[in-house]
Amino acid sequence: DIQMTQSPSTLSASVGDRVTITCRASQSISSWLAWYQQKPGKAPKLLIYKASSLESGVPSRFSGSGSGTEFTLTISSLQPDDFATYYCQQFSAYPLTFGGGTKVEIK
Amino acid sequence: EVQLVESGGGLVQPGGSLRLSCAASGFTFSDPYMDWVRQAPGKGLEWVGRTKNKINSYTTEYAASVKGRFTISRDDSKNLLYLQINSLKTEDTAVYYCAVYYSGTGGYWHWGQGTLVTVSS
Repeated sequence: DIQMTQSPSTLSASVGDRVTITCRASQSISSWLAWYQQKPGKAPKLLIYKASSLESGVPSRFSGSGSGTEFTLTISSLQPDDFATYYCQQFSAYPLTFGGGTKVEIK
Repeated sequence: EVQLVESGGGLVQPGGSLRLSCAASGFTFSDPYMDWVRQAPGKGLEWVGRTKNKINSYTTEYAASVKGRFTISRDDSKNLLYLQINSLKTEDTAVYYCAVYYSGTGGYWHWGQGTLVTVSS
């Protein structure tokens, strides 16, 4: 199975901060990676697909980069609505696997 | 507007069975693959399995943790996705989400709101 390792698991930041979350795959997944945002009690929401493509309607302060085994999600200027948990997921091979999540908290 | 509405969750004893449904609307249900993803209370997301579309012979894939106990099926004529869960274990307690995947796109475009399955005696 492909293991997805997210870091950090928790991140404390302030409004306006630049935030970077990392996702590492245990083997190459090319660009078959998605990023989701989840708020308490809600379903996840797609932010980024194929590693760097921004889903329609998602603010441009979100961006994704990387390929192979190293990926990042960047929020250029953190907004109050962005405090949530973020997950990466690989679509390269079965079983599909998620990272453990990164909770972005208010500093 | 795309809608995915899961139902069928509830409290069930260990060893019991349950069938979850996901009713879809607002898109051509027969086109995408359909997946189930679950989330145990306070934990992360776990992929459960997938049914592909008719063109791909409705092929199914499962996580090792559920293979042999869970069965995914779909009825394209009714826009319904199913998850038959047998031999339930306490560790199957989770919110179960259905999700839409278009082949080659690398992301779940739509999610349901989830249905809670609690396995307890």
